[in-house]
Amino acid sequence: DQQVKQNSPSLSVQEGRISILNCDYTNSMFDYFLWYKKYPAEGPTFLISISSIKDKNEDGRFTVFLNKSAKHLSLHIVPSQPGDSAVYFCAASAGGNFNKFYFGSGTKLNVKP
Amino acid sequence: NAGVTQTPKFQVLKTGQSMTLQCAQDMNHEYMSWYRQDPGMGLRLIHYSVGAGITDQGEVPNGYNVSRSTTEDFPLRLLSAAPSQTSVYFCASRRTESNTEAFFGQGTRLTVV
Repeated sequence: DQQVKQNSPSLSVQEGRISILNCDYTNSMFDYFLWYKKYPAEGPTFLISISSIKDKNEDGRFTVFLNKSAKHLSLHIVPSQPGDSAVYFCAASAGGNFNKFYFGSGTKLNVKP
Repeated sequence: NAGVTQTPKFQVLKTGQSMTLQCAQDMNHEYMSWYRQDPGMGLRLIHYSVGAGITDQGEVPNGYNVSRSTTEDFPLRLLSAAPSQTSVYFCASRRTESNTEAFFGQGTRLTVV
C-alpha cells in the first residue's frame, strides 16, 4: 500500500496563474519531504524540500506547505510558466533516514500559454 | 559534466534472461540508489549503497542484485528476468551529507517479453 499519494494524475493551468499540486501521506513518522520535477525522457530533478519542523518553505516561484495534522503537503507555483509543464513527484522519509525515500505516483502539470 | 550515466537506454529481454543495468557517476558521491518507475506507482526504491562495499535493500528488492566495488559504479543485475520487471529504471546519487538533492540518470526502459 502506497504511503505517499498524489491523487490527481494531471492538472492543467493557464500561464501566469497559480498551480497547486497536492500530496498526502499515511505514515506519521515521515518528517522530511521533497518535490522533484521530471521532464519526458529525463531523470527527476530536485525542486524543493521541507522538514516537519517547518510548515512552509519558499524558493523563488515555488512554495511548499506542510500540514502535519492533516498529513498533507502542497506545492504552489506562482506564476506558472509553460516551462513548468512536467511531472511532479513528492517524496517522504522517516526518522532522519535519508537513505530511503517513498515517492508518490506523480502529477502531470500542463501550463497552457 | 557527465553526472549520472545509465546504460543502456532501452533493452528488450526474454523471460528468464539475465542482464546488468549499468550506472556510473563522476561526482564522487558516496550514496547511490536504484529506483523503478511504474505507471500509477511512482518511483520505488530497489537497492541502495552508502559507499563502496556497502549495499542494502529498499522497498522492492526481490529479483534484483547489486554490488558496489567502486565509488563510481553501482550496477543492477537481473538474474532471471520476469515480465513483472518491465519498467523504467533510474539510478541516482548524492553526497552523504546532502539529505535532499539526489542526481538522477536519464533512465533505462526495460521490457521483458
